[in-house]
Amino acid sequence: AQSVAQPEDQVNVAEGNPLTVKCTYSVSGNPYLFWYVQYPNRGLQFLLKYITGDNLVKGSYGFEAEFNKSQTSFHLKKPSALVSDSALYFCAVRDPLNTGGFKTIFGAGTRLFVKA
Amino acid sequence: DSGVTQTPKHLITATGQRVTLRCSPRSGDLSVYWYQQSLDQGLQFLIQYYNGEERAKGNILERFSAQQFPDLHSELNLSSLELGDSALYFCASSVATSSYNEQFFGPGTRLTVL
Repeated sequence: AQSVAQPEDQVNVAEGNPLTVKCTYSVSGNPYLFWYVQYPNRGLQFLLKYITGDNLVKGSYGFEAEFNKSQTSFHLKKPSALVSDSALYFCAVRDPLNTGGFKTIFGAGTRLFVKA
Repeated sequence: DSGVTQTPKHLITATGQRVTLRCSPRSGDLSVYWYQQSLDQGLQFLIQYYNGEERAKGNILERFSAQQFPDLHSELNLSSLELGDSALYFCASSVATSSYNEQFFGPGTRLTVL
């Protein structure tokens, strides 16, 4: 079965510093990996995805993620954090089914605090 | 604004009752997904519909059911409610049912069961 793990409940970083939010995955077959962000009292917003191709994926709001097949990781990164980046971040993997549909399996989430 | 709408925003009800949550997907999206978010269980996939047909089932209880109508809006029905059903329920949509399409989430319905 597909799964994702976000080993850190919380990440603290100072504004202007680089940030990394970690995600590791376990899949059978090709991994389809996603990052979403959730601001307080809001739904999730799509940030970026890895389907195939270049291991460095660029997304919204200056975020990027690096797919590492040997380490089964898909860490989210940003070169310079903003206070407004403070939110809950979810890594997700798709689990295709033979019905033509799929499940999306989310990690537990990592809360990012960016301090001014 | 994702373009996905959910009603109502908040719902307070009592144990044993039945409620219906409604979702309208983004214009042009054929796939609808329902999720439950709670503090202890995290974000759990419930069910997926594509163009009116059920395509995938996740951790959805037998007391819960859903459907997608010809106009593509969807409803999630929760019955015999228990205290543990209190959660945020999200609807999401995507243009197709492919594994690589990103999903667009609605603002959620917060259900409180007293």
